[in-house]
Amino acid sequence: DVKVTQSSRYLVKRTGEKVFLECVQDMDHENMFWYRQDPGLGLRLIYFSYDVKMKEKGDIPEGYSVSREKKERFSLILESASTNQTSMYLCASSSTGVANYGYTFGSGTRLTVV
Amino acid sequence: GEDVEQSLFLSVREGDSSVINCTYTDSSSTYLYWYKQEPGAGLQLLTYIFSNMDMKQDQRLTVLLNKKDKHLSLRIADTQTGDSAIYFCAESIGPVGGQNFVFGPGTRLSVLP
Repeated sequence: DVKVTQSSRYLVKRTGEKVFLECVQDMDHENMFWYRQDPGLGLRLIYFSYDVKMKEKGDIPEGYSVSREKKERFSLILESASTNQTSMYLCASSSTGVANYGYTFGSGTRLTVV
Repeated sequence: GEDVEQSLFLSVREGDSSVINCTYTDSSSTYLYWYKQEPGAGLQLLTYIFSNMDMKQDQRLTVLLNKKDKHLSLRIADTQTGDSAIYFCAESIGPVGGQNFVFGPGTRLSVLP
């Protein structure tokens, strides 16, 4: 069973903390994505990566950075967490050239910043 | 820019059919998708349709694509309480393999007993 695994389902952090959200996929997918999901706003793309060590900004990259040192792992970093980053974070992966399979999503990490 | 629109809420009675609608803007989209998100979970691919098709049926699900009007719909026959979820429409933009997706805001389907 193919999987995208996010390391935490629920996370509570304090304002100003550095936060790491980890995502691992076992499908040898080239592409990986980080979204945040907020009520009424749907999914918004934060960052994505088409290859190891490669990253591209999405629609809302401010306050975030990413790291892709290995093909299977894509990390989202909140350098200094703020309360407006309280959200559900979803990681996804996809394979180049196999468009009809779409994205495979992880279960999400619900982050609360207090 | 690219935009995908959906109504935010839909309520139906158990056993009735549900129809969730979506409009998109990028006429070069290769594939269009429906994803389902159950409470507290990630998104699960429900079905997809290639842009040169008008209709796709998969058990209780029927996808209709009107390319001229850029309109996509998902019909769920004999809706059950387990179908209560948020349904996202998505289009793939850019070249095949480039795979940037644009998601709609999601339609929350409530199934009433």
